[in-house]
Amino acid sequence: DQQVKQNSPSLSVQEGRISILNCDYTNSMFDYFLWYKKYPAEGPTFLISISSIKDKNEDGRFTVFLNKSAKHLSLHIVPSQPGDSAVYFCAASTYTGNQFYFGTGTSLTVIP
Amino acid sequence: DTAVSQTPKYLVTQMGNDKSIKCEQNLGHDTMYWYKQDSKKFLKIMFSYNNKELIINETVPNRFSPKSPDKAHLNLHINSLELGDSAVYFCASSQRTASEKLFFGSGTQLSVL
Repeated sequence: DQQVKQNSPSLSVQEGRISILNCDYTNSMFDYFLWYKKYPAEGPTFLISISSIKDKNEDGRFTVFLNKSAKHLSLHIVPSQPGDSAVYFCAASTYTGNQFYFGTGTSLTVIP
Repeated sequence: DTAVSQTPKYLVTQMGNDKSIKCEQNLGHDTMYWYKQDSKKFLKIMFSYNNKELIINETVPNRFSPKSPDKAHLNLHINSLELGDSAVYFCASSQRTASEKLFFGSGTQLSVL
């Protein structure tokens, strides 16, 4: 029962262009969403979050968009850099919950 | 100074053996977790402890037993290892419950032969 889905296992983008990573969820009770970035042989590290009271949150080159009606969120990276090459995980929770549900990740490759 | 550290990083063992993975966090967080990432890259919670008290115990075989001697440590002991236990195990911590962002360790790659 996978409540958070990332349907694209991989994505390749040219350096300087926009990377768009997508995430869908099924549980309408989720109200807190996070993106994590993971390099090989390391643990995931927090990147950016958004709560359900917002539809957009921006932090430098990273912007997360939330579409509650579609149960969809996306992470935009502009401009993409080779150092952004990593696996990106989407995660969701409720503020009153006690765990996060993770997607299976999207492997982003930024080509120099 | 690593915030969440887990050892060992790699663990290769035979079926039927018993092994432990240790985790320590120096962030002063109240809550610690064990996650399992399987071959399909699905990151799924196994256990969660808050101030040494078990608060999440997902459907995990009882061969897996977490131990929290204090709120800075959460160890995972696995009895009678099976081939299907091969995975990457991540320890994590958060300030309070999972409504706070998680800080992960670097993972333990367990291979059962």
